[in-house]
Amino acid sequence: DAGVTQSPTHLIKTRGQQVTLRCSPKSGHDTVSWYQQALGQGPQFIFQYYEEEERQRGNFPDRFSGHQFPNYSSELNVNALLLGDSALYLCASSLMEASNSNQPQHFGDGTRLSIL
Amino acid sequence: LAKTTQPISMDSYEGQEVNITCSHNNIATNDYITWYQQFPSQGPRFIIQGYKTKVTNEVASLFIPADRKSSTLSLPRVSLSDTAVYYCLVGDGEGSGAGSYQLTFGKGTKLSVIP
Repeated sequence: DAGVTQSPTHLIKTRGQQVTLRCSPKSGHDTVSWYQQALGQGPQFIFQYYEEEERQRGNFPDRFSGHQFPNYSSELNVNALLLGDSALYLCASSLMEASNSNQPQHFGDGTRLSIL
Repeated sequence: LAKTTQPISMDSYEGQEVNITCSHNNIATNDYITWYQQFPSQGPRFIIQGYKTKVTNEVASLFIPADRKSSTLSLPRVSLSDTAVYYCLVGDGEGSGAGSYQLTFGKGTKLSVIP
């Protein structure tokens, strides 16, 4: 049973460039959330996708956008990269219509993005 | 979103039991409490989740008092491989489905296990 997979594992970009990160959810999951984790900090929620639509969004600018495909996989796009965008970007998947209880989100190991 | 407060760091010797307490005074009625473990350069890993009283699995126990304003993660007989950051989270309790909540992470507790 494949878990959450993310690609690439590492990426180096320069200021002003654009980047696309990819995520495949755990088998059976239909919801994908993206988080940004700066060094020494906890992950911060960016947004969540379900049924190919953005359902919730955290406090991130419009430079951060996403997409979900019919097979539930997802992309995170960041435009006009800033030095402060350097972080570990994590994808988490879950099942929207969980029964009776909250179900834990399953995380991938992230993409390490470095901005020069 | 319910906030959590937990110690920044803890040290423990191998073989000891470690208890990490988290406070969440504003927890909502339908929120669950979830603990994650994170190693450097890896994503958080689910440890345990509970709603009230006590939950135990093969790696940890979670104690939740009746008022649910705090919880304690208990790791029995820790080893060096348990050195990691541990996050306590509560769901925001809103959204169209149980799987829709956004997780709010604090800085976590950095556990260092000493030989």
